[in-house]
Amino acid sequence: DGGITQSPKYLFRKEGQNVTLSCEQNLNHDAMYWYRQDPGQGLRLIYYSQIVNDFQKGDIAEGYSVSREKKESFPLTVTSAQKNPTAFYLCASSINQETQYFGPGTRLLVL
Amino acid sequence: QKEVEQDPGPLSVPEGAIVSLNCTYSNSAFQYFMWYRQYSRKGPELLMYTYSSGNKEDGRFTAQVDKSSKYISLFIRDSQPSDSATYLCAMSAGTGSARQLTFGSGTQLTVLP
Repeated sequence: DGGITQSPKYLFRKEGQNVTLSCEQNLNHDAMYWYRQDPGQGLRLIYYSQIVNDFQKGDIAEGYSVSREKKESFPLTVTSAQKNPTAFYLCASSINQETQYFGPGTRLLVL
Repeated sequence: QKEVEQDPGPLSVPEGAIVSLNCTYSNSAFQYFMWYRQYSRKGPELLMYTYSSGNKEDGRFTAQVDKSSKYISLFIRDSQPSDSATYLCAMSAGTGSARQLTFGSGTQLTVLP
């Protein structure tokens, strides 16, 4: 089945720790995106990538980093510089950049 | 002022009711409009996609775009308890790199059996 997978479903971070969220897609989509969702605030764009080895900052990139070494994969690292990381993180991909399809999400919690 | 405004609700309706969900926007460059449905603790799923003004129907769902008023709507006919979810509007200017989407904050809908 084609789709977008995210892992883990839940992730716990200790203070000062970097954590990495996985996003994989087998839809052969060129563009991939990372969003953060907080209650009542909708989705905010963290990073996006149009092609392999290229990515751009979104509206709230501070404290996050990404890589795009393969077309299928777009991992997001939440660094210790992100002081308020508790949120629901959503990965999306797009073939025509007009519509985006989302994965099931990762919920990040701080211990 | 946010680029996209959406009434957060919550909105409760009885089963079988017609539901109207709305978004207003300020950026006249937006020309692609989407509605997503998001169940609790799940990723959003694309419901409807429209380009420019007009109506688009898909089963019980109708998406309406009025670019002159900068107003979009999603109508749900014969609403079912399974329609209970948060509905997000999203839109794009369709120009520039990656055609980023701007989302509304979502409207929480409950359909009571």
